[in-house]
Amino acid sequence: AQTVTQSQPEMSVQEAETVTLSCTYDTSESNYYLFWYKQPPSRQMILVIRQEAYKQQNATENRFSVNFQKAAKSFSLKISDSQLGDTAMYFCAFMKRVQKLVFGQGTRLTINP
Amino acid sequence: AAGVIQSPRHLIKEKRETATLKCYPIPRHDTVYWYQQGPGQDPQFLISFYEKMQSDKGSIPDRFSAQQFSDYHSELNMSSLELGDSALYFCASSFSAGGQETQYFGPGTRLLVL
Repeated sequence: AQTVTQSQPEMSVQEAETVTLSCTYDTSESNYYLFWYKQPPSRQMILVIRQEAYKQQNATENRFSVNFQKAAKSFSLKISDSQLGDTAMYFCAFMKRVQKLVFGQGTRLTINP
Repeated sequence: AAGVIQSPRHLIKEKRETATLKCYPIPRHDTVYWYQQGPGQDPQFLISFYEKMQSDKGSIPDRFSAQQFSDYHSELNMSSLELGDSALYFCASSFSAGGQETQYFGPGTRLLVL
């Protein structure tokens, strides 16, 4: 069974700083997807970024980028120029094709003014 | 763009009562997933449907059942509710046949069992 581990329960940075959230996973699969979801206080689950395992190029979405290290089974999220609206719980998730998402425990990120 | 719709958004029930949660996926999405998120926890997979057939089953209690209808909406039926069923229930949808594996979540239904 796949497992996802987020080793940072909480993080806090100042507005405009850059922050990196860590995620490791365990799988014997070669084809899969990795995601970061954001859950603000409203508790809506919002997709931040996705990465296909077969792609070597790291995904980017505006201020959000990932560092995908397939051999190391590592998938970190970097948030540049952090904003107050980035304050949320961030979940790393693993998925095999057309199957369930397996989530990590989450990292609570606070952006301070 | 249209999003996943869930109803009701909030639900309060007594122990041993029944509840029905509804999910309307994004148009043209063929796969629906249900997740349960307890307080301070990550979402846990319950069940999924692809083209109206159950495709996977997770840690869903026998007291719960679900189905996907011809219009692709899905319903999660919960009977003999227990205090521990109080949680946020998410529905997510994806377009699997189109190779778009990304799951998009609805706003969730907050269930409180008293």
